[in-house]
Amino acid sequence: EVQLVESGGDLVQPGGSLRLSCEDSGFTFSSYWMTWVRQAPGKGLEWVANINQDGGEKNYVDSVKGRFTISRDNAKNSLYLQMNSLREEDTAVYYCAKGQQMGRWGQGTLVTVSS
Amino acid sequence: QTVVTQEPSFSVSPGGTVTLTCGLTSGSVSTSHYPSWYQQTPGQAPRTLIYSTNTRSSGVPDRFSGSILGNKAALTITGAQADDESDYYCVLYVGRGFWVFGGGTKLTVL
Repeated sequence: EVQLVESGGDLVQPGGSLRLSCEDSGFTFSSYWMTWVRQAPGKGLEWVANINQDGGEKNYVDSVKGRFTISRDNAKNSLYLQMNSLREEDTAVYYCAKGQQMGRWGQGTLVTVSS
Repeated sequence: QTVVTQEPSFSVSPGGTVTLTCGLTSGSVSTSHYPSWYQQTPGQAPRTLIYSTNTRSSGVPDRFSGSILGNKAALTITGAQADDESDYYCVLYVGRGFWVFGGGTKLTVL
């Protein structure tokens, strides 16, 4: 079964940076769009960003545009989210999901932005 | 600013049928929005139930079904069970690669 495993979540101060990773144990990573979704404590899901199969198309929710960068390495079956200029409102569990329609999800990694 | 609407809460009796909806504050939902539905229990990652309006994800029982009802997407649960008590989220494709989640519906089975 396809497994997505996120890592990299941590406690970081406002203005700091963090890089999240998501490794796909399946065999078809390079065939799929990939997506990052986040969930603030006690809140709903928020679509954050996605990237197409070869990394040539990337889309971001307005609140992270210019601060976050999504990327992928198909040779390593891995998806990344570089997060800069972090704000307290970025505190959330970050999930990676397979496909534009988010057919499979990882277990999530917690990012806490606090001084 | 596209806003996707869902009922904040809903309740259903065990064995009953419930329909949750997913709409837009401006305009109608169609198959071109590729509505998808997710189930989430506290502390767990979301689980995909339905994608592309009415396609069940692998392993999802057929008592979960998706459709377009009027101007909204809909998730119908037939023969509700206790472990269906969860949060349910829809997401819509709003164009140019962007997707927007609804606020979620908390379903109680009692």
